[in-house]
Amino acid sequence: QKEVEQNSGPLSVPEGAIASLNCTYSDRGSQSFFWYRQYSGKSPELIMFIYSNGDKEDGRFTAQLNKASQYVSLLIRDSQPSDSATYLCAAYRGTDKLIFGTGTRLQVFP
Amino acid sequence: DAGVIQSPRHEVTEMGQEVTLRCKPISGHNSLFWYRQTMMRGLELLIYFNNNVPIDDSGMPEDRFSAKMPNASFSTLKIQPSEPRDSAVYFCASSLFADGETQYFGPGTRLLVL
Repeated sequence: QKEVEQNSGPLSVPEGAIASLNCTYSDRGSQSFFWYRQYSGKSPELIMFIYSNGDKEDGRFTAQLNKASQYVSLLIRDSQPSDSATYLCAAYRGTDKLIFGTGTRLQVFP
Repeated sequence: DAGVIQSPRHEVTEMGQEVTLRCKPISGHNSLFWYRQTMMRGLELLIYFNNNVPIDDSGMPEDRFSAKMPNASFSTLKIQPSEPRDSAVYFCASSLFADGETQYFGPGTRLLVL
């Protein structure tokens, strides 16, 4: 079992819809969680992080964390074609390094 | 502020040649990470440094790979000899704090070994 798992996708949503990206993790010692966006041919870009159970909102993005279920999600409201990218989930265990999932490819079509 | 700087951006070499990748972290950042990304394996951590000291190199695939950080503003990842299976995008990332929690990535080096 991978430490951080994501569905590879692609997840296809129409423009204006809510895109829901999911991530599960196996290590209950994981303390915080990060979402990176990676456009094709580019480097990962940090878009959100979350430490506590519940929701954290930043503009059109909402990160959700449920430590009991070991589940993290990223919601993108009013999805735009420019949101089309691969989204990487990462878990931090407090051991100096992030553990990345393999990413979910999101396609937003007009 | 300048972000993480990597060079070269692209490298094409022949099997058996030595390859050296370079990274300049964000000024003031205390941790530096080298990653490799492929379609098959995703983003893999190779090695990371805290305050110029290598902390964990368990991700380095073989003895052919080595990394150094002689000072706070420069690191190298060397592959000698290179093999076709080393073809990947190599990213360097840096973090302000030694805990390595929030990392900022460089643009990457695309390596192709023929």
